[in-house]
Amino acid sequence: AQKITQTQPGMFVQEKEAVTLDCTYDTSDQSYGLFWYKQPSSGEMIFLIYQGSYDEQNATEGRYSLNFQKARKSANLVISASQLGDSAMYFCAMSGYTGANSKLTFGKGITLSVRP
Amino acid sequence: DTEVTQTPKHLVMGMTNKKSLKCEQHMGHRAMYWYKQKAKKPPELMFVYSYEKLSINESVPSRFSPECPNSSLLNLHLHALQPEDSALYLCASSQRGGGTEAFFGQGTRLTVV
Repeated sequence: AQKITQTQPGMFVQEKEAVTLDCTYDTSDQSYGLFWYKQPSSGEMIFLIYQGSYDEQNATEGRYSLNFQKARKSANLVISASQLGDSAMYFCAMSGYTGANSKLTFGKGITLSVRP
Repeated sequence: DTEVTQTPKHLVMGMTNKKSLKCEQHMGHRAMYWYKQKAKKPPELMFVYSYEKLSINESVPSRFSPECPNSSLLNLHLHALQPEDSALYLCASSQRGGGTEAFFGQGTRLTVV
């Protein structure tokens, strides 16, 4: 079984500042992928960033970076230079590569509000 | 192109109606998914199709019936739904099964009256 934990209450950040959204995970798989998704109020689930369990470097995609600490089983999302359009719900997710764990498992999500 | 297209965007149906949700992708992805999402909750997996075959059914009631006519299309047939089935239904696809990023459509907001 695999589990994603997002425990932060709703987060607030000032425009142009950086913010870290926490995510811890648990799995019995040796190979797995970690993902972050953004869901604005419109409902679309937008893929942001991917980290493979064997990747030695932290993933980056524009203003998004994933702080991957395998020993701690954490995969925090860092958003730099926050923009008003970053206000949304953010989900951390993971999946293994085969078998029953190959399905995407989501955390409960966290709401980010960017203040002007 | 990372587009997954879902139709319709909104659907209101009675409990005796039959309707279908449609999903299309042209990324050559071989895995396709249906998720159900209630407000302020994470998506819940319903079905997974891998290479056009149903590989995972998360004990979904039979009033939901998936269909994968070909590698680009995924349908969800709805019949005799209950008001509690009202939710956002999301379709997604990924290059293969687990471990790869999934791309989602905009969803269908379903209301059962």
